[in-house]
Amino acid sequence: DQQVKQNSPSLSVQEGRISILNCDYTNSMFDYFLWYKKYPAEGPTFLISISSIKDKNEDGRFTVFLNKSAKHLSLHIVPSQPGDSAVYFCAAMTDSWGKLQFGAGTQVVVTP
Amino acid sequence: KAGVTQTPRYLIKTRGQQVTLSCSPISGHRSVSWYQQTPGQGLQFLFEYFSETQRNKGNFPGRFSGRQFSNSRSEMNVSTLELGDSALYLCASSPQGTGELFFGEGSRLTVL
Repeated sequence: DQQVKQNSPSLSVQEGRISILNCDYTNSMFDYFLWYKKYPAEGPTFLISISSIKDKNEDGRFTVFLNKSAKHLSLHIVPSQPGDSAVYFCAAMTDSWGKLQFGAGTQVVVTP
Repeated sequence: KAGVTQTPRYLIKTRGQQVTLSCSPISGHRSVSWYQQTPGQGLQFLFEYFSETQRNKGNFPGRFSGRQFSNSRSEMNVSTLELGDSALYLCASSPQGTGELFFGEGSRLTVL
């Protein structure tokens, strides 16, 4: 069962504009959410996270928004840069040790 | 601080063989998790170890096993390899097994 869903497999955005990546989840027990970035042949790199008690977390160009009632979170990247081109994974965690449920990923391409 | 180190990075095996993959976590991290990434299934949780004890296990057959040593280094073993075991195997570490996980670059296994 796919408890974390990223319905957009790809996103193309111009350099300098905003990238918005979306993620939906079904398990109301998730209490921590994370975004990872992945380049080919490398492991995922942690970007930003948010606890279920918050609705927004910001770190530089990256902001994550959480809407618990809609079971939806989003990642905003402003401004987008060519180096942001990668696959972005949404992940969620309960109190289950070391276990992240990942979405299928969204391929972001930032064009000059 | 050195990151998570996985060895070997690439390996080729034939069906029926077994394989052992190694992971050295970030210094001070006591939790090590393993994930399998395939094009069809995405990132799937295998198991998590903390202080040499398996605390959590994903939905994989018994051919997949692991262990953790007193220095927090971990190994995973896959016996009687099948073609479907071809994947990128990722190790992640964290201080306690909750919150952000930090991934290594992975071990790419090809089963022929």
